[in-house]
Amino acid sequence: EDQVTQSPEALRLQEGESSSLNCSYTVSGLRGLFWYRQDPGKGPEFLFTLYSAGEEKEKERLKATLTKKESFLHITAPKPEDSATYLCAVQAAYGNNRLAFGKGNQVVVIP
Amino acid sequence: KAGVTQTPRYLIKTRGQQVTLSCSPISGHRSVSWYQQTPGQGLQFLFEYFSETQRNKGNFPGRFSGRQFSNSRSEMNVSTLELGDSALYLCASSERRHEQFFGPGTRLTVL
Repeated sequence: EDQVTQSPEALRLQEGESSSLNCSYTVSGLRGLFWYRQDPGKGPEFLFTLYSAGEEKEKERLKATLTKKESFLHITAPKPEDSATYLCAVQAAYGNNRLAFGKGNQVVVIP
Repeated sequence: KAGVTQTPRYLIKTRGQQVTLSCSPISGHRSVSWYQQTPGQGLQFLFEYFSETQRNKGNFPGRFSGRQFSNSRSEMNVSTLELGDSALYLCASSERRHEQFFGPGTRLTVL
């Protein structure tokens, strides 16, 4: 069974204080690893897809990286508007479109 | 393109009742997946439909069912509601095995 573990569960950052979120996964053949952002009361918003170890993607202050066992979401010089829950999900290589999600990293950025 | 839409946004039901939730995918997307999100379990996969056929089903009881229409719109039904069915129900659409884009969700409360 595919499993995703995210750490830390919650993180409080001062504005401008860079940090990293971790997503460890086990999957029977990885097709893709996905990062989403979710604000309270809203659906997840797609951020990145990573397909193979060594791949990196960036968007504004966010950078996602992938190894064979884990992914990191680096937040550089965060602003209060980066406060959200960040969700990591994996999709297996064979068979279906199912995403297995971790429980998320809740990030609060204090001005 | 318009995003994924879900109706209704909020529902209050009592135990034993049934409920039907609706999802309209992004134009051109033929895959629709449903997820249940609760504080304790996070996001869990319910089922996926593609071209009116259920391709995958998660580990949920038979009270949870769904269907997809020829225009790719999808509905999910929960019969004999239980208190534990209170959750945010999210619909996501995609082009085959690509990124999934989520709707705002339907908040179901069972009293």
